Amino acid sequence: QSALTQPPSASGSPGQSVTISCTGTSSDVGGYNYVSWYQQYPGKAPKLMIYEVSKRPSGVPDRFSGSKSGNTASLTVSGLQAEDEADYYCSSYAASNNFVFGTGTKVTVL
Amino acid sequence: EVQLVESGGGLVQPGGSLRLSCAASGFTFSSYWLGWVRQAPGKGLEWVANIKPDGSEKYYVDSVKGRFSISRDNAKNSLYLQMNSLRAEDTAVYYCVKGWSNYLPWGQGTLVTVSS
Repeated sequence: QSALTQPPSASGSPGQSVTISCTGTSSDVGGYNYVSWYQQYPGKAPKLMIYEVSKRPSGVPDRFSGSKSGNTASLTVSGLQAEDEADYYCSSYAASNNFVFGTGTKVTVL
Repeated sequence: EVQLVESGGGLVQPGGSLRLSCAASGFTFSSYWLGWVRQAPGKGLEWVANIKPDGSEKYYVDSVKGRFSISRDNAKNSLYLQMNSLRAEDTAVYYCVKGWSNYLPWGQGTLVTVSS
């Protein structure tokens, strides 16, 4: 199982929007609506931000949104805030009860 | 409050074994898929294994098949990961997670270091 491809970094100024891509194949991202996104601060456990492509768990601000087109999923953070500076990982179901994570993206708030 | 607390990590020599445990509370343990996700130092996340609520099905990433074994004790609200034939590349923080396709919450993680 190869890791899903994410850009190593992304940045934006406070109040702006940033979009992170997550590219897989038809055997994972493109084949199923089981894409999730996680936020991770240094030294901390990841936190679920988006599940099943575009659903938000209770307590996650609506500034965070997810979408998918073909083999690429995306996470958009609107109205960027200082506390959004973190690492973000996507994950997807990859058939035969296997799962794969993305390579991770470091988001910097300028 | 849903909580997952891992234990059992430590330093082990290559070829050695270690058993991780995860104590769960705050939810109906026997109703949920559970799993393990690891993160090597400075690296990304990697799904390792998961187990069905009744323990009847278990799945693993290719790199640990035949070496790692996931199990659960629903009477004790506990999840386990038996790790044998450990390699340097197994060095990572191991997280216990609740869920099948998405994980909420995560435990705090336990560090496994494989080194001579």
